[in-house]
Amino acid sequence: SAVISQKPSRDICQRGTSLTIQCQVDSQVTMMFWYRQQPGQSLTLIATANQGSEATYESGFVIDKFPISRPNLTFSTLTVSNMSPEDSSIYLCSAVEGTSYFDTQYFGPGTRLTVL
Amino acid sequence: AQSVTQLDSQVPVFEEAPVELRCNYSSSVSVYLFWYVQYPNQGLQLLLKYLSGSTLVKGINGFEAEFNKSQTSFHLRKPSVHISDTAEYFCAVSHASGGSYIPTFGRGTSLIVHP
Repeated sequence: SAVISQKPSRDICQRGTSLTIQCQVDSQVTMMFWYRQQPGQSLTLIATANQGSEATYESGFVIDKFPISRPNLTFSTLTVSNMSPEDSSIYLCSAVEGTSYFDTQYFGPGTRLTVL
Repeated sequence: AQSVTQLDSQVPVFEEAPVELRCNYSSSVSVYLFWYVQYPNQGLQLLLKYLSGSTLVKGINGFEAEFNKSQTSFHLRKPSVHISDTAEYFCAVSHASGGSYIPTFGRGTSLIVHP
């Protein structure tokens, strides 16, 4: 099974600044994803991180606000740009080792972001 | 589009009692169904999943779930809970064919086990 780590685990940021979250998987995976988890809400998929090409964003999320990189099969970053208090949330990295979404999906511990 | 409803936001229960966490879904096509558990300050961990075959699925930590197509439900059960089962539980559904394979998650149910 894949083990996923995220850095930082939490941060408190000022409005208007940007934060980059790193996601490291201990094995090569085919698919990587970024989710947002707000208290009392379901997980919301932000985007699929594609190796060597632009990420695929879900409705309501755009590259200028959430630029994503995936330089190889084990690493991805999510940047939350020009932050506002509404961006306060937990951001989760996820990965799938196989080629289908019904293959086991692994999750990182999350990055808890507070924007003042 | 698929959707998931977890009917209870919080379920308190005493240790060693049975528990059922409810999940209903809506979809116009065949589905795959999942239950995840999230312990405090940790990521989600797969408990069990239904892809096809037997409607009763057994997972880790003594949990099981039953797929009921006519009632579009996938309730999670455990006959005797432990304090360590206190966590957030998420139901998820994805399309088995057509539509989006990306899982849609419910809002979560907080299981609170009291001694």
